[in-house]
Amino acid sequence: DQQVKQNSPSLSVQEGRISILNCDYTNSMFDYFLWYKKYPAEGPTFLISISSIKDKNEDGRFTVFLNKSAKHLSLHIVPSQPGDSAVYFCAAIPYSGGGADGLTFGKGTHLIIQP
Amino acid sequence: KAGVTQTPRYLIKTRGQQVTLSCSPISGHRSVSWYQQTPGQGLQFLFEYFSETQRNKGNFPGRFSGRQFSNSRSEMNVSTLELGDSALYLCASSPDLGRANYGYTFGSGTRLTVV
Repeated sequence: DQQVKQNSPSLSVQEGRISILNCDYTNSMFDYFLWYKKYPAEGPTFLISISSIKDKNEDGRFTVFLNKSAKHLSLHIVPSQPGDSAVYFCAAIPYSGGGADGLTFGKGTHLIIQP
Repeated sequence: KAGVTQTPRYLIKTRGQQVTLSCSPISGHRSVSWYQQTPGQGLQFLFEYFSETQRNKGNFPGRFSGRQFSNSRSEMNVSTLELGDSALYLCASSPDLGRANYGYTFGSGTRLTVV
């Protein structure tokens, strides 16, 4: 059973507009969340993260929102730029796990920025 | 600062053979984890090494193994290759174990094709 779900395999947004990528999780033990961006033939690149003690984290054009009660997080990109076209992965981990449980990833959303 | 280096970038093997993949983490990083990416299953955690010890393992058969050397470099081995092992194998390094806020930096991966 998928513990981290990204229900939109792809998303098309016009350049300059806001891109909103969504992610849902089921495991209550997850308390740290990360977003990665991936281009073809490259490894994932870290974008932004959020701890469960916060409900929002901003870094430049990227903002992540966390709704713990709904077990939902979203990544907002404003304004969207052509270079943002990539696959975006949501990942989760029990922060305080001590031992390494590894990141649990969603299956990704392919964001396409239209000129 | 050099990133995470994975070798080789591409590999073609025959069913039944074994393969060894290599990962050199960022200098000073002591934790190395491995992930498998396939179109059907997405990114899945294989295992993580810290101080030359495997700290946790994902849900993969015993044909998948790894090790870490005293300089933190890591290798993973897959024995008795199956067609379904064809995937992109990604290595991620982190400064410490189990502290997600330190971040995980991924390499570009090794593309393994089993024929």
